[in-house]
Amino acid sequence: AQTVTQSQPEMSVQEAETVTLSCTYDTSENNYYLFWYKQPPSRQMILVIRQEAYKQQNATENRFSVNFQKAAKSFSLKISDSQLGDTAMYFCAFSHNNNDMRFGAGTRLTVKP
Amino acid sequence: GAVVSQHPSWVICKSGTSVKIECRSLDFQATTMFWYRQFPKQSLMLMATSNEGSKATYEQGVEKDKFLINHASLTLSTLTVTSAHPEDSSFYICSASSGAGARNQGDTQYFGPGTRLTVL
Repeated sequence: AQTVTQSQPEMSVQEAETVTLSCTYDTSENNYYLFWYKQPPSRQMILVIRQEAYKQQNATENRFSVNFQKAAKSFSLKISDSQLGDTAMYFCAFSHNNNDMRFGAGTRLTVKP
Repeated sequence: GAVVSQHPSWVICKSGTSVKIECRSLDFQATTMFWYRQFPKQSLMLMATSNEGSKATYEQGVEKDKFLINHASLTLSTLTVTSAHPEDSSFYICSASSGAGARNQGDTQYFGPGTRLTVL
């Protein structure tokens, strides 16, 4: 069974600084997808970034980038130039062949002015 | 693109009544839809997975007779909470995916805004 672990329940960062959220996962599959979702106070789940396991290149989306280490089964999210609007819960997630998506417990990120 | 709507956004009902929640993919065909439940300050808990035209697959511990799921078309899935009780009060979220294994985002789930259910 696949499991996703987020070891940081809460984190904070100063506005304009950089923060990294950790995520590790466990799977025996070789092809799969990894995601970071953001859930702001509105509770709408928003896709932040997506990584396909067969791609070695780390995904980037503007200020968001990942450090995907397949051998270590690690998938951290780096947020650069943090903005107040980045304050939210961040969930790391794993998916294989459109089966159910497994979520981590989440990291609550607070961006301080 | 990839917008998923959910209706209603919140509902209050009396104990013993049934409540239907709709989930629609607005700009893509959703081969698979998922229903989650989220308790305050917790992660999402998958309740069931439904494929268009097929019976839903429920996660262990989820009562299929209590949480009825219908996925009648490629753009609509419904969750009916039957004979609701106060312990069913929660935040219910649906998501939709366009297909298995497709390299053009097929495994990505797009989420609806959620429905807050309060059972009195």
